[in-house]
Amino acid sequence: AQSVTQPDARVTVSEGASLQLRCKYSYSATPYLFWYVQYPRQGLQLLLKYYSGDPVVQGVNSFEAEFSKSNSSFHLQKASVHWSDSAVYFCALSPNYGSSGNKLIFGIGTLLSVKP
Amino acid sequence: AQTIHQWPVAEIKAVGSPLSLGCTIKGKSSPNLYWYWQATGGTLQQLFYSITVGQVESVVQLNLSASRPKDDQFILSTEKLLLSHSGFYLCAWSPGLGGLEQYFGPGTRLTVL
Repeated sequence: AQSVTQPDARVTVSEGASLQLRCKYSYSATPYLFWYVQYPRQGLQLLLKYYSGDPVVQGVNSFEAEFSKSNSSFHLQKASVHWSDSAVYFCALSPNYGSSGNKLIFGIGTLLSVKP
Repeated sequence: AQTIHQWPVAEIKAVGSPLSLGCTIKGKSSPNLYWYWQATGGTLQQLFYSITVGQVESVVQLNLSASRPKDDQFILSTEKLLLSHSGFYLCAWSPGLGGLEQYFGPGTRLTVL
């Protein structure tokens, strides 16, 4: 069965500090992985995606993520956070490809609070 | 550029009343369309998806139904609301063949009393 685990429900960091949000997945084949961000009372915005190739992918707002097949992980990172990065971050996996409709499996989300 | 619009922004409805939520995508032909439900403070659960007009697949049963009357429109509805229907409803689209990433609308917040 496919699943996504975000082990940290809440992360608090100080402004200017580095950040890592953890994501572990369970899937038997090559995964397609995503990170989304949700600001309060808004929809989700795609931060970055991994399909194949270079395990380090760059996203918007200086976010990046590193795929590790050996660790079944796709951790999100940022070198220096800003208070405006405070939001809920979701890791997601897509086990499908093609015309049958793309199923996205989401983790429970990690609430990031950035202290000024 | 593609834009996705959901209506209404928010609804407060009584238990047992009907519901209709809408979603429109502009700037993209023949997208795949999706409905998601998010409980307050929770993760997202895919409810329905559609790859073409008139064809909708149910992913999970929540006493809801969906229809796609036009290429750019996706409707979520029920004849009788339950308290458990409260939450945040998100519409999303993906490019169909060749694209897996989904792009989300602003959402509709539903409160059932």
